[in-house]
Amino acid sequence: QVQLQESGPGLVKPSETLSLTCTVSGGSISSYYWSWIRQPPGKGLEWIGSIHYSGSTKYNPSLKSRVTISVYMSKRQFSLRLTSVTAADTAVYYCARDPSGVAGSDYWGQGTLVTVSS
Amino acid sequence: NFMLTQPHSVSESPGKTVIISCTGSSGSIASNYVQWYQQRPGSAPTTVIYEDNQRPSGVPDRFSGSIDSSSNSASLTIFGLKTEDEADYYCQSYDNSNKVFGGGTKLTVL
Repeated sequence: QVQLQESGPGLVKPSETLSLTCTVSGGSISSYYWSWIRQPPGKGLEWIGSIHYSGSTKYNPSLKSRVTISVYMSKRQFSLRLTSVTAADTAVYYCARDPSGVAGSDYWGQGTLVTVSS
Repeated sequence: NFMLTQPHSVSESPGKTVIISCTGSSGSIASNYVQWYQQRPGSAPTTVIYEDNQRPSGVPDRFSGSIDSSSNSASLTIFGLKTEDEADYYCQSYDNSNKVFGGGTKLTVL
């Protein structure tokens, strides 16, 4: 059974960089796309970006200038970096697997709450 | 920017049928696959429909997805409602390969 687990700091100061890692177990990281999605408290889902195992990326245009997603095949991990954070970036951050890049996500991590506060 | 619009909330009684709509703001919703996710409070989303009308294994056949090109909308139909279906439901599709989510619909089964 494929499992995804997010990890990283739960508290980030304003103007600093949010960094999260998603570790994949129970399956290969090859042949898939991998996504980051976030959900502010009490609000809906927002796609942040996706990466193919080959390294090609797509980012939400509204976040593109601040986002970097990377993949680390040997570690079965992919990561998210979001720079210059503000309180508006406070959210539960999910990582997810996309089987094809055109048909959504089939496996999701449990999510991790990141709070931006001084 | 392409948007997907869902009703904020719907409610229905156990045993009844409910339809949740998802309307595309422009273009043709049939041009890209639509997915539907269920999210219970405090939990991650799970897929109930992918590729417009496909059910993952383990999802009961009470859940059905469809596309209506004439109204540029997708629909999630849940037959024989159960109290356990009470959750938030999100549609999701694509715009120039960028993922787009609908705003979500809170389903109350009362």
